Amino acid sequence: AAGVIQSPRHLIKEKRETATLKCYPIPRHDTVYWYQQGPGQDPQFLISFYEKMQSDKGSIPDRFSAQQFSDYHSELNMSSLELGDSALYFCASSPGVAGELFFGEGSRLTVL
Amino acid sequence: AQKVTQAQTEISVVEKEDVTLDCVYETRDTTYYLFWYKQPPSGELVFLIRRNSFDEQNEISGRYSWNFQKSTSSFNFTITASQVVDSAVYFCALRASSGGSNYKLTFGKGTLLTVNP
Repeated sequence: AAGVIQSPRHLIKEKRETATLKCYPIPRHDTVYWYQQGPGQDPQFLISFYEKMQSDKGSIPDRFSAQQFSDYHSELNMSSLELGDSALYFCASSPGVAGELFFGEGSRLTVL
Repeated sequence: AQKVTQAQTEISVVEKEDVTLDCVYETRDTTYYLFWYKQPPSGELVFLIRRNSFDEQNEISGRYSWNFQKSTSSFNFTITASQVVDSAVYFCALRASSGGSNYKLTFGKGTLLTVNP
């Protein structure tokens, strides 16, 4: 069965650079979530989209933005990267509010 | 607001011991969903179980079992006859809609389980 696809799996950037992470949800899932997990931390909710509209916003820095496109894939854009942005970024999709969240394998961002 | 508390930061056991991971949650919603995820050193989040708030029936899956008690707002996870491969961080999580949050998942801080041979 198709799973949530995230790319790239690993990314290394310098401070002040920009990075873009991509997420391809499971087909027919209407909701996408982005989470950030720092070293030794629990995943923190960043932002979510329902039917291509932003539905909720968590602790997402102003330097970050995200959107969901017409084909339902989503991109997380991060600018002016800081060392503290080094983390594992998860995307998850869900077929509705009652279902399981299916997580991708994560994108590991390292900022040097 | 939703909150999940995993009071045990780290647990270390010897192989074949039974171990219980505690989870206490807070929500004002009457409809909510509870989850357990396993995160091995490789980093991916592995789904283990989902329970909804209307189903307090305990569940057993192989060596894994879950005890859901609404009266104490707890959703504890027990591994029987632990194995080295069970070593991982385990997250309890809550999905509810308080304040129009669109049912995002709120995680506990996680419990690092180490199973020693």
